[in-house]
Amino acid sequence: GESVGLHLPTLSVQEGDNSIINCAYSNSASDYFIWYKQESGKGPQFIIDIRSNMDKRQGQRVTVLLNKTVKHLSLQIAATQPGDSAVYFCAENRRSGGGADGLTFGKGTHLIIQP
Amino acid sequence: ETGVTQSPTHLIKTRGQQVTLRCSSQSGHNTVSWYQQALGQGPQFIFQYYREEENGRGNFPPRFSGLQFPNYSSELNVNALELDDSALYLCASSLDFGDNEQFFGPGTRLTVL
Repeated sequence: GESVGLHLPTLSVQEGDNSIINCAYSNSASDYFIWYKQESGKGPQFIIDIRSNMDKRQGQRVTVLLNKTVKHLSLQIAATQPGDSAVYFCAENRRSGGGADGLTFGKGTHLIIQP
Repeated sequence: ETGVTQSPTHLIKTRGQQVTLRCSSQSGHNTVSWYQQALGQGPQFIFQYYREEENGRGNFPPRFSGLQFPNYSSELNVNALELDDSALYLCASSLDFGDNEQFFGPGTRLTVL
């Protein structure tokens, strides 16, 4: 079926190390992907997005990589800090113009930062 | 902070009751989407409102309904509550229909007993 999912439910990293969170999607028609961060008791917070005509996009301390051949998306966080502790979701919007399908979210990866 | 506000923060209801949740979109945003997030899961799309009309719907039964007002604020109504309706209900606003970036509010935690 069409779905967006994550490989690992929990990822534990040392403070200062780089984190890589992975996501697989199955709908080859997906043309827009977003990473959200959700802290406890809060709504999802937009981190970075990427369109299907790109394979890499960088933000502040974050990089998203898209491999359309294997339908894989990853989020890299450089020099992980305690404030990065949260659940990270990948989401897809199957219509580049947004629209009425809404966002399809994966189940999430809980990133834990070890001191 | 995204500027999207939701009320109430928490709510407890019993099976069979009805509930109304409210959302104020970010200033200038005319599109509002509602999501249900069960514990330990990602949000699931319920429906979207654009210029006061339902613009699309996810896999939710008709007892989930909504409204959008001229000021673009929105309500989510759920009738005949079931235990499985217990979840965090999230509202997200976007600048316009077709704008990919959605800004989420803090959510309303609904518990159905």
